[in-house]
Parts: sequence; C-alpha cells; structure tokens
Amino acid sequence: EAGVAQSPRYKIIEKRQSVAFWCNPISGHATLYWYQQILGQGPKLLIQFQNNGVVDDSQLPKDRFSAERLKGVDSTLKIQPAKLEDSAVYLCASSPLGSSGANVLTFGAGSRLTVL
Amino acid sequence: SQQGEEDPQALSIQEGENATMNCSYKTSINNLQWYRQNSGRGLVHLILIRSNEREKHSGRLRVTLDTSKKSSSLLITASRAADTASYFCAKTSGSARQLTFGSGTQLTVLP
Repeated sequence: EAGVAQSPRYKIIEKRQSVAFWCNPISGHATLYWYQQILGQGPKLLIQFQNNGVVDDSQLPKDRFSAERLKGVDSTLKIQPAKLEDSAVYLCASSPLGSSGANVLTFGAGSRLTVL
Repeated sequence: SQQGEEDPQALSIQEGENATMNCSYKTSINNLQWYRQNSGRGLVHLILIRSNEREKHSGRLRVTLDTSKKSSSLLITASRAADTASYFCAKTSGSARQLTFGSGTQLTVLP
C-alpha cells in the first residue's frame, strides 16, 4: 500500500513569513497526527484528528499554528508568522485507530523547516 | 510534554553485540511501542507491547514491560551496522489514545 505522503520535503523561510505543509495519509486511516520534531529530540504531538474532527490540540501554539483535515482525508498544517524556534521537522502520521484497538502509526518522511 | 525518557541517550557497540535501551514513563499506559528512525527519515514502528503483557519478541527484538516500575526495555540481539538509528519508545494513554514519545536513544553499530 502507498505510504503517508508529505510535501514539501524541505522549506527555508525567514522569520515572520508563513508556510504550509501538506499530508496525505494512508487510504482508510481514520486518525491523522502532526508531530513536531526538533533536532535531537523526540517527536512532540501538535494535533490529532479523528476523521475530520480534532481529538487533541492541547500542544498546538494556536496563536501561530493552524491545521485542518479536509473531508477526513488530506491535512494541512500552517504556521503564520514563523519564529526561529519553529525550525524543526514536521511529521505527519496516520493510523487505522477507531474507537478501540492499538494505535500503530505510519509516518511520512517529514517536512524539514528552517526559519532564518 | 514528553512523558518519560530513554536511557542511555547514546549507545555505541560493535557489530554482533547486543544493544539494550531502556524507557521510563510516569503515568498509566494502554500500551507501549518502540519506533526506529534512520537519519533524515520518518519513524518506523518496530513492536508493541500491551499493558497486560510482560515480554514480546519479534525477530532479533525483545521487549519487556514492568508496569510496577513504569519501565520498558528494548533488546536488539546480534546487532548489525544497519541497526544504526535512533530508537524511541512511545506510550499510549488517555481516552483518545494519544501517543507520546520519549527523547530517544541514538544507537551506533560499528562494523
């Protein structure tokens, strides 16, 4: 089966500019996640969608980050305006998790953001 | 916030040796998973152990879980250079089954 697709793979912007990342999960996967991974650290959950509803966005900096999942499939993550500390890899993952069962995630390759 | 930490932060061994990584966590879990991340890549799922299990095997991988100590370990036997990567434990908890990652162990296997 096709994996989780993410684009762009790399993006360099200046601070205060905006950027958007796109994710296409595995077909049929109900749950979609965006993680932020700063160099040398583990991934930190930004937002979790169940179909097209938000399950958890407690760690999303809502003053500058936004995310949506259109029709319960593709998702976009936007940062506006970007800060230097937003430099990280943004990982999208999906899982077939429904109301029960183990949530084994399949990750995309990530989008590496550098803010100058 | 990241729940729990991996230990050690970095590990360097010779090919053929065994590698052991540990993971601790703070609150109750539904299950615990281990993922591998090669440099510049996304994470790949390795193995899952449920809270009512104590040990699980998959090929050269052996995972143990001690819920009384809130800790888990990942053993890679007969390591290969291709095992060089970062290894993360991830805890599932909460009604929404959020997956929270630790800080990772960087494993280097020298040929």
